[in-house]
Amino acid sequence: KNEVEQSPQNLTAQEGEFITINCSYSVGISALHWLQQHPGGGIVSLFMLSSGKKKHGRLIATINIQEKHSSLHITASHPRDSAVYICAVRRNTGNQFYFGTGTSLTVIP
Amino acid sequence: KAGVTQTPRYLIKTRGQQVTLSCSPISGHRSVSWYQQTPGQGLQFLFEYFSETQRNKGNFPGRFSGRQFSNSRSEMNVSTLELGDSALYLCASSLWAGEGHEQYFGPGTRLTVT
Repeated sequence: KNEVEQSPQNLTAQEGEFITINCSYSVGISALHWLQQHPGGGIVSLFMLSSGKKKHGRLIATINIQEKHSSLHITASHPRDSAVYICAVRRNTGNQFYFGTGTSLTVIP
Repeated sequence: KAGVTQTPRYLIKTRGQQVTLSCSPISGHRSVSWYQQTPGQGLQFLFEYFSETQRNKGNFPGRFSGRQFSNSRSEMNVSTLELGDSALYLCASSLWAGEGHEQYFGPGTRLTVT
């Protein structure tokens, strides 16, 4: 069983749509990260969360520690948002990182 | 500031050989982490270094090793390469180790083992 589960695995949206990607985890964590990976491999860290909610531009990330669940929302999606979005957690014992398998997002103009 | 740099960017090796990959963190960053990404397993954590000390290690065999130098540059070594070691190897740097510090990723080294 994976420590981090993401859904959906693949997502296709029309430009302008509101998008939600979900992440559930099974271990105690000190923080959760949302990463964005574009074709070619480059990874950008979008958010680091330990509680509540964060917002950067059109991106919003929330976390519910009690339910061990996080969501990444993209408002007014744009083709440049097309990428793989990866959820990662740092365990609070041992400090190990665990990664979800990623959500591949395609936004169609 | 220059970003995280990794060398080489691409590498082809033969089974049984060894390989050394290099990572130069952002100036002033003292923590470097290494990750392996494969189509089958996704991203997996390899090691984390801070001030020349390995702080954490993922579930990889002893063929995978690393080190960090006094200037925070880091190297990872894989000995006795296997076909399954073909992957994108990413490093990331942060100001300090542990939580609360954002990680900045390098472009990766794509290793192909034949």
